[in-house]
Amino acid sequence: KNQVEQSPQSLIILEGKNCTLQCNYTVSPFSNLRWYKQDTGRGPVSLTIMTFSENTKSNGRYTATLDADTKQSSLHITASQLSDSASYICVVSALLGDDSWGKLQFGAGTQVVVTP
Amino acid sequence: DSGVTQTPKHLITATGQRVTLRCSPRSGDLSVYWYQQSLDQGLQFLIQYYNGEERAKGNILERFSAQQFPDLHSELNLSSLELGDSALYFCASSKGTGENQPQHFGDGTRLSIL
Repeated sequence: KNQVEQSPQSLIILEGKNCTLQCNYTVSPFSNLRWYKQDTGRGPVSLTIMTFSENTKSNGRYTATLDADTKQSSLHITASQLSDSASYICVVSALLGDDSWGKLQFGAGTQVVVTP
Repeated sequence: DSGVTQTPKHLITATGQRVTLRCSPRSGDLSVYWYQQSLDQGLQFLIQYYNGEERAKGNILERFSAQQFPDLHSELNLSSLELGDSALYFCASSKGTGENQPQHFGDGTRLSIL
């Protein structure tokens, strides 16, 4: 079973509207949570990285929240633009010292389509 | 442009063959990571090198191997290729060991096994 679940699987929104993507995880012990944006045919681009002590982080029109108690994160996109059409991937890292990178868990992604 | 260069962009080969994928990290980055992205599996971490040494290992098959050279470029070797190895292979880099640092991804090598 995947330890990182994202919802919805896909989303269509009108240009200018806001949307929120969800990420629930069971990875433990928790080290950090990342959100990536991946355009079709391109490599992922890092949007935010949050550690246990951070509960919100913004990058332009993207705002990520983290509730480490409930193991939930969200990514909010404000005033969507056509260029926001992409897959958004949630990645959670476990805190296991030097081996922590071996424990990266990836969500399946949410495909966002912004229409004019 | 992330500054990470991957070559080749596309590779088509047959089952049983061996291929080498190459990655040049961003200037100044010491860590290189390899990922596999297939349609049914999503993005999976394969292996990380830091300053020439293996740092962490993920879901990398025994048929696959990697190394990082003194000039910090890295190669991923895939051998005895199977149809299921068809995927996008991404390389990423970061400055240090990468725990809480952003990783910068290349645009990948698309491997197709016929």
